[in-house]
Amino acid sequence: NAGVTQTPKFQVLKTGQSMTLQCAQDMNHNSMYWYRQDPGMGLRLIYYSASEGTTDKGEVPNGYNVSRLNKREFSLRLESAAPSQTSVYFCASSPPDPVAKNIQYFGAGTRLSVL
Amino acid sequence: AQSVTQLDSQVPVFEEAPVELRCNYSSSVSVYLFWYVQYPNQGLQLLLKYLSGSTLVKGINGFEAEFNKSQTSFHLRKPSVHISDTAEYFCAVSDLCRRPSRGGGADGLTFGKGTHLIIQP
Repeated sequence: NAGVTQTPKFQVLKTGQSMTLQCAQDMNHNSMYWYRQDPGMGLRLIYYSASEGTTDKGEVPNGYNVSRLNKREFSLRLESAAPSQTSVYFCASSPPDPVAKNIQYFGAGTRLSVL
Repeated sequence: AQSVTQLDSQVPVFEEAPVELRCNYSSSVSVYLFWYVQYPNQGLQLLLKYLSGSTLVKGINGFEAEFNKSQTSFHLRKPSVHISDTAEYFCAVSDLCRRPSRGGGADGLTFGKGTHLIIQP
């Protein structure tokens, strides 16, 4: 089972460059999320999509945009990368039922360095 | 806003010794609680969860946690650790009293900063 798939796994950007991080899930989940993980900070929510067609800001949305392309895919875009966006990015998804919707399943992460 | 405190950033333990990783969250009427484990260079894997019912919950790999509402704690324990338990452990909370998101889905977890469990031979 593939679960949550993130591409690419690694990326190096120069300041000011743009890129899109891709995420896809094959579990028919309604909700999808983007987090960033920084040393000593845990995971912080950037954006989430509760269902197809909706997106909402999380704790640290500045400098990012998202697109919920369809039920399977949720992409994260950096329009003009900054060194402060050097981080490990995780995508997650959660199922639709009333209780299990709070259980999140994570991808393997994208390690991004901005020089 | 909900917050999660993991009191120890690192916990060194000898192999086969017991371990407790501490987690406290800010008070709320209703919460769901989770522990996730992250092995080196991997994503997060669900270790266990408290949704309702018995306050003692058992997870994978011999871990268990106890929900204590009066102390707003959800400490993780294992009676005997193995070298393979070396990993980063994250406590997380979902606040059920937050405004429901428009789409009816969950609106994200609040994570603690993590505890690095170091198993010494």
